[in-house]
Amino acid sequence: NAGVTQTPKFQVLKTGQSMTLQCAQDMNHNSMYWYRQDPGMGLRLIYYSASEGTTDKGEVPNGYNVSRLNKREFSLRLESAAPSQTSVYFCASSVGEIGNQPQHFGDGTRLSIL
Amino acid sequence: QKEVEQNSGPLSVPEGAIASLNCTYSDRGSQSFFWYRQYSGKSPELIMSIYSNGDKEDGRFTAQLNKASQYVSLLIRDSQPSDSATYLCAGGNYGQNFVFGPGTRLSVLP
Repeated sequence: NAGVTQTPKFQVLKTGQSMTLQCAQDMNHNSMYWYRQDPGMGLRLIYYSASEGTTDKGEVPNGYNVSRLNKREFSLRLESAAPSQTSVYFCASSVGEIGNQPQHFGDGTRLSIL
Repeated sequence: QKEVEQNSGPLSVPEGAIASLNCTYSDRGSQSFFWYRQYSGKSPELIMSIYSNGDKEDGRFTAQLNKASQYVSLLIRDSQPSDSATYLCAGGNYGQNFVFGPGTRLSVLP
């Protein structure tokens, strides 16, 4: 039972490069989320998708874009990476309506921007 | 600005003792509360969900919710060194995103 799978697990980029973080869940969950976690800052929501075909901004969306490709997959794209985007990125999913059900997290992507 | 506050710790307890982790929240509309455990370098792992006032027990873990005081707690009985981790509290409401606290680092000393 894979749960939430994120790829890649580690990535080093140069400033200005672009990349896409992939996330897939096999739990038939409706809602999916992207967070970043920085030391002393806790988990901060970047974007979320309450259902297939919808996406909305979270607390820190600047510099990111997302795509809800289908019910299983939710990708996060950095168009022009900046050192401030060095962080650990977590994808999560939840069944049903957002806010009322626990979220289940992937293993994370550790991203360094040089 | 909706906030969830936790003491960052570290909270140190001896092995076998009860660890008490506390969380307060600012949004009176929050209805759902969750405790996550996060080991260093790992992802958050759900421990408990609580939706109603009172206590909810699951093994060595007890979550307590007091909506009038806007307070959530997690008790860990018979603490073990393997319980050493950061514990995240999150509050949510129907149709609204979770707000996570910054986490409390727990250290259980052998």
